[in-house]
Amino acid sequence: GDSVTQMEGPVTLSEEAFLTINCTYTATGYPSLFWYVQYPGEGLQLLLKATKADDKGSNKGFEATYRKETTSFHLEKGSVQVSDSAVYFCALSISGGYQKVTFGTGTKLQVIP
Amino acid sequence: GAVVSQHPSWVICKSGTSVKIECRSLDFQATTMFWYRQFPKQSLMLMATSNEGSKATYEQGVEKDKFLINHASLTLSTLTVTSAHPEDSSFYICSAGALAGGYEQYFGPGTRLTVT
Repeated sequence: GDSVTQMEGPVTLSEEAFLTINCTYTATGYPSLFWYVQYPGEGLQLLLKATKADDKGSNKGFEATYRKETTSFHLEKGSVQVSDSAVYFCALSISGGYQKVTFGTGTKLQVIP
Repeated sequence: GAVVSQHPSWVICKSGTSVKIECRSLDFQATTMFWYRQFPKQSLMLMATSNEGSKATYEQGVEKDKFLINHASLTLSTLTVTSAHPEDSSFYICSAGALAGGYEQYFGPGTRLTVT
């Protein structure tokens, strides 16, 4: 079946540090890939997405590139802020209609001043 | 943009009672809605998929008689936890699919259920 594997957390960084959260996937079809963010006490928000190979999703300084050859979709940000502290979920959905979203286990990021 | 609301955001109930959670798409029509459950410090687990006007499709291991899902209109789906027990305490999140968004799902803010 489809699955998403992301690095375990928590990840603790100092403000302005570089962030990478690794994500790899397995899928029977041709998936769309997503990163969602969940701030404390809130629901999920779509952070960015990519729908085909070599696409780069970007938002709020975060980026991730759809790498079909390595089945990866790593999340990066050049300079994190305290306000980026949250749980980040990598996810996939098979294209073609309303398919369920398969989530990774989430990576908690804590940014300290 | 596409907004999904949930009501209530937080509910406490006594063991043995039933609780209804509403999920609404505020500015778009959603033919398909999804219900997820999130345990503390864990990922989201899909419980069921509901299509407007038809019965919900439940994931393996989810009791359909305990978690009743109704999707009576294009903007509203409800999840009723019947005869709730403390182990049902969790964070329940819905999402709605919007045709205009290329089948993207939009998530509600979640409902925290505590059963005492």
